[in-house]
Amino acid sequence: QQQVKQSPQSLIVQKGGISIINCAYENTAFDYFPWYQQFPGKGPALLIAIRPDVSEKKEGRFTISFNKSAKQFSLHIMDSQPGDSATYFCAATLNYGGATNKLIFGTGTLLAVQP
Amino acid sequence: NAGVTQTPKFRVLKTGQSMTLLCAQDMNHEYMYWYRQDPGMGLRLIHYSVGEGTTAKGEVPDGYNVSRLKKQNFLLGLESAAPSQTSVYFCASTWGGWGTEAFFGQGTRLTVV
Repeated sequence: QQQVKQSPQSLIVQKGGISIINCAYENTAFDYFPWYQQFPGKGPALLIAIRPDVSEKKEGRFTISFNKSAKQFSLHIMDSQPGDSATYFCAATLNYGGATNKLIFGTGTLLAVQP
Repeated sequence: NAGVTQTPKFRVLKTGQSMTLLCAQDMNHEYMYWYRQDPGMGLRLIHYSVGEGTTAKGEVPDGYNVSRLKKQNFLLGLESAAPSQTSVYFCASTWGGWGTEAFFGQGTRLTVV
């Protein structure tokens, strides 16, 4: 019930292409779905997040698509650039306050954008 | 504004040795967390704190202890290091629990031989 399954484990995309990373969750009570981006040797940083009252959120080249009925959400990176090469983590949690609602992370996707 | 700072950045320990990892944040955040990151396993929560003087167990707490004597600092201790604790450790903080943006430190790479 607490798992977040992420795929693929690794992804190679050509510059200018679209990168797609998928996540699936089990707990229907989850209501906050962030994506974190991690560059080598650095800590993760929040990239974009969505709440289940919308089906899509876009920030620049990054878009989250959310399918509540399928319990799935995905990250799309349009016009992928070599600078986007990083590890991406999806996550999910209950957002009714307090740290006891732990953030559950996916296992990560290593994205390599080839020039 | 430094954000979240972890010390040390790298450390090699012998089995059975002890050490303390320090996390300091200057954002006045109430909540602080320690995670470990292992290949193919994502980020797993070790311990967390919802405020000064409080601590709680996360997903993988065995072999670790923590203390939060001051609001800005969160210490992670290994009493008797084991090779299974070889990992990259990340500290994070949030102002309002996990439904808010988490700020991570740069990590500590620990090797136990």
